[in-house]
Amino acid sequence: GAGVSQSPSNKVTEKGKDVELRCDPISGHTALYWYRQSLGQGLEFLIYFQGNSAPDKSGLPSDRFSAERTGGSVSTLTIQRTQQEDSAVYLCASSFTGTRANEQFFGPGTRLTVL
Amino acid sequence: GENVEQHPSTLSVQEGDSAVIKCTYSDSASNYFPWYKQELGKRPQLIIDIRSNVGEKKDQRIAVTLNKTAKHFSLHITETQPEDSAVYFCAASPGELTGGGNKLTFGTGTQLKVEL
Repeated sequence: GAGVSQSPSNKVTEKGKDVELRCDPISGHTALYWYRQSLGQGLEFLIYFQGNSAPDKSGLPSDRFSAERTGGSVSTLTIQRTQQEDSAVYLCASSFTGTRANEQFFGPGTRLTVL
Repeated sequence: GENVEQHPSTLSVQEGDSAVIKCTYSDSASNYFPWYKQELGKRPQLIIDIRSNVGEKKDQRIAVTLNKTAKHFSLHITETQPEDSAVYFCAASPGELTGGGNKLTFGTGTQLKVEL
């Protein structure tokens, strides 16, 4: 079946503008995650949605970052008043949930460049 | 919170040799340890994972070992091939059973180059 998809694949914006990044998880996956990967770095956890539970926002770097997940499926990550340090690849992942951790499947990412 | 350290940052081996990448973690509550391979410009893909109730897992040329007491785990690739060249990331998660969710804390990655 279809994997995790993200849009846009690339986004160039000017400092101070707001951006929205979209993630479509694998159908049936109840958990959805956002990570950020800066150039040459590892992946940094941002936020995690699981079913109808309150999201784990512990990784969001500032209050300029927010995310929502509508209808338990599609998620949007919003960055307000973008800064140059926000430039990175934003990766979304999804997984099943259960009593044990499950494999997370990643999307292709959105490369964000803030000029 | 969890902290995962990964070494080495770069690793160059001759085709056919073995490669070993090591990671340590800090949170004793972590019980799920996946390894991801990321080729240039592509998404990370899971290659193997291990849970804390086992010490070793093998899948063809790839194996992972876990030492819970020492809080370290390692990836072993035998008979390396040029297509193994990529960046490899280790990660740790508390898993859902402990209520910590399934969020992954990643190491900083190892650039593996397999030379002909």
